[in-house]
Amino acid sequence: DAGVTQSPTHLIKTRGQHVTLRCSPISGHKSVSWYQQVLGQGPQFIFQYYEKEERGRGNFPDRFSARQFPNYSSELNVNALLLGDSALYLCASSLPSRDEQFFGPGTRLTVL
Amino acid sequence: SQQGEEDPQALSIQEGENATMNCSYKTSINNLQWYRQNSGRGLVHLILIRSNEREKHSGRLRVTLDTSKKSSSLLITASRAADTASYFCATTSGNTPLVFGKGTRLSVIA
Repeated sequence: DAGVTQSPTHLIKTRGQHVTLRCSPISGHKSVSWYQQVLGQGPQFIFQYYEKEERGRGNFPDRFSARQFPNYSSELNVNALLLGDSALYLCASSLPSRDEQFFGPGTRLTVL
Repeated sequence: SQQGEEDPQALSIQEGENATMNCSYKTSINNLQWYRQNSGRGLVHLILIRSNEREKHSGRLRVTLDTSKKSSSLLITASRAADTASYFCATTSGNTPLVFGKGTRLSVIA
């Protein structure tokens, strides 16, 4: 079975631009979570979606938004990019009754 | 915010030695998990220990949990160069999402 996939792998944007990151969960996983990992830190929770509904939101500004589609894939959108948004963005999927999460390879976002 | 704090921040050992990493957390938890991350890429789930468990094994991994001290340790026995990675503990409590620590960078020298 394919693991969690994310696209693109790398992305370079300039301040003020908008970015969309994509994630496809493992087949059968209905829950998708997004994390931001700044260099040298652990991942920070951004959003969780389950069955297309937002189940949780971390301490991130409204510039960050996400959605989940009927096929359980997900998009993370970030508007008005700031230099501080430069990070590795990780997507993870899980089964509803399990706490362990399966992570994708991440999207490395650089904001110049 | 970070819930867990791993100790040490960095660890360098020779191949074949054991590696021990510690994690402390602040609030009560449902379970504690350890993840590995190679070269800033995706995380790989290693092991989960529930709050009512004290010790768990998986291959060369041994995890302990002391809820009275709000701490956990991860032991990797007979380390290999391929174990070189960053290791993170992560906790869940109630319906909260995973909260990660800052990680321990392990270098295993061949």
